[in-house]
Amino acid sequence: AQSVTQLDSHVSVSEGTPVLLRCNYSSSYSPSLFWYVQHPNKGLQLLLKYTSAATLVKGINGFEAEFKKSETSFHLTKPSAHMSDAAEYFCVVSDVGGTYKYIFGTGTRLKVLA
Amino acid sequence: DAGVTQSPTHLIKTRGQQVTLRCSPKSGHDTVSWYQQALGQGPQFIFQYYEEEERQRGNFPDRFSGHQFPNYSSELNVNALLLGDSALYLCASSPQGQNNSPLHFGNGTRLTVT
Repeated sequence: AQSVTQLDSHVSVSEGTPVLLRCNYSSSYSPSLFWYVQHPNKGLQLLLKYTSAATLVKGINGFEAEFKKSETSFHLTKPSAHMSDAAEYFCVVSDVGGTYKYIFGTGTRLKVLA
Repeated sequence: DAGVTQSPTHLIKTRGQQVTLRCSPKSGHDTVSWYQQALGQGPQFIFQYYEEEERQRGNFPDRFSGHQFPNYSSELNVNALLLGDSALYLCASSPQGQNNSPLHFGNGTRLTVT
């Protein structure tokens, strides 16, 4: 069975400092992995996706993630946090080769301090 | 180009009642999925519809049912509401046949059961 574990429920950073949100996955197959962001009272917006092409994936708003098969990790990073980055972030794994079902992590709430 | 639209945005119901939530997929998308997001949790997969049929289902009771119409829009019905059904219900759409195409989410319907 596939699953994802987000290692931190809350992360606080100062504005202008790097962001690291950690995600580990479990999958019997080569997975498709995604990061989504959710601002308060909003739906989910796709940040980036990994689908077995380049292991370093660049997304929107300066975010990127690196797929490391040996570590079964897909951590999300950003060099410099902005106040507008404060939100809930979800790591997601999906069925191989399809979009039948997404399995979400429990989320990481990012707080950005002025 | 409108994205995924859901209605209503908020809903308050009483235990035992029935509710219907509606979703219009993004233009060009023909597959609709529904997710339940309880407060402080990641979204959980309810089911997915394609070609007007339920294609896959998550671990939800039969009280949860759905429908997809010829124009690809969809409804989620919940019968005999329980307090625990209070959640944000998210609709997501995707185009069939495009492997690993990410899901596009609506802003959700906030259901409160009293």
